[in-house]
Amino acid sequence: GAGVSQSPSNKVTEKGKDVELRCDPISGHTALYWYRQRLGQGLEFLIYFQGNSAPDKSGLPSDRFSAERTGESVSTLTIQRTQQEDSAVYLCASSSPADRRETQYFGPGTRLLVL
Amino acid sequence: RKEVEQDPGPFNVPEGATVAFNCTYSNSASQSFFWYRQDCRKEPKLLMSVYSSGNEDGRFTAQLNRASQYISLLIRDSKLSDSATYLCVVNPAYKYIFGTGTRLKVLA
Repeated sequence: GAGVSQSPSNKVTEKGKDVELRCDPISGHTALYWYRQRLGQGLEFLIYFQGNSAPDKSGLPSDRFSAERTGESVSTLTIQRTQQEDSAVYLCASSSPADRRETQYFGPGTRLLVL
Repeated sequence: RKEVEQDPGPFNVPEGATVAFNCTYSNSASQSFFWYRQDCRKEPKLLMSVYSSGNEDGRFTAQLNRASQYISLLIRDSKLSDSATYLCVVNPAYKYIFGTGTRLKVLA
């Protein structure tokens, strides 16, 4: 079946502009995660959604970052007033409630470059 | 101390060699463990889960040592296509904790 998809695949923006990144999880996956990966670095957890529960936003680096998810479908990650240090790959992953180990499947990511 | 620690490498090995990576974790309550593989400029992809009794998938063997809080990955008969970064992942709850990865380069 279809995997996790993300759009856009690449985004170049100017410092101070807002950007919106989109994630379509695998159908039936109730859990959705956003991560950030800076060049040459590991993955940083940003936010976690599970069904209709309150999201875990503990990884969001500042109040310029926010994310939404409607039900168990698409999620958007919004970065307001972008800064150069926001340049990174933003990865989305989803997992199935039927998987006790909560294996995560990743999308291809959105490469964000803030000039 | 980082929650998950890995030697960043790179490990440069000839084709056909056996190579092993270790990863240590700090949260003793961790329940699930994984190895992911990440190719350059690509997303991480699940390589294998790590089970308490150890598990094998072809040329890959994963081990878990709960007492010492480390997991290992052994790759036998290395192929050029094994060149990638290997990410150790620990899941104490729903939140994945990633190591920064170990780079492997298999040389012809």
